[in-house]
Amino acid sequence: GAVVSQHPSRVICKSGTSVKIECRSLDFQATTMFWYRQFPKQSLMLMATSNEGSKATYEQGVEKDKFLINHASLTLSTLTVTSAHPEDSSFYICSARGLAGDNEQFFGPGTRLTVL
Amino acid sequence: EDKVVQSPLSLVVHEGDTVTLNCSYEVTNFRSLLWYKQEKKAPTFLFMLTSSGIEKKSGRLSSILDKKELFSILNITATQTGDSAVYLCAVGGAQKLVFGQGTRLTINP
Repeated sequence: GAVVSQHPSRVICKSGTSVKIECRSLDFQATTMFWYRQFPKQSLMLMATSNEGSKATYEQGVEKDKFLINHASLTLSTLTVTSAHPEDSSFYICSARGLAGDNEQFFGPGTRLTVL
Repeated sequence: EDKVVQSPLSLVVHEGDTVTLNCSYEVTNFRSLLWYKQEKKAPTFLFMLTSSGIEKKSGRLSSILDKKELFSILNITATQTGDSAVYLCAVGGAQKLVFGQGTRLTINP
């Protein structure tokens, strides 16, 4: 199956700093990548959808200036949490979809962000 | 608004038992329904269903979709402790997946 990597797997930072998370599709070209966050014992909440070369589409209630998404190539998308605060602490998961029209998404291993 | 509802939210059984997990949905422009298993990290893919009435099987796991009743079930037979996880149902519309809340399955030895 297709492989998606995420880096870093875990990050601890101080309040007010910015954190960048990378999501890479290793063996296929991802036309679309998705960013989710997951709080403990809750399901995945879609934050934004990004298509290569265009601006990300954010879900309602997600601040685009807070969560910057860049999808510069068909194999790499980045999520930057700007001026992180303790309430941004969460598990962030990316997924990638290859063929347009195919719903199957391949998930990265996730990044656990802790903001002190 | 698109909605996916899973039941039960939590289930505890003994090793060897058979379990059935449920997923109902209301989604515009339905394309497919997917089941994922999530342990400590990100979800791993189990099945993708697009057609009604065709059972998909993988070892002790099987799943079927009913597009008339907007419903899917995931069956696990002869459960093992390694099956303990959260099982997520997601329904794909035109662009994105909508996830249910998940069923937390615990298999006791």
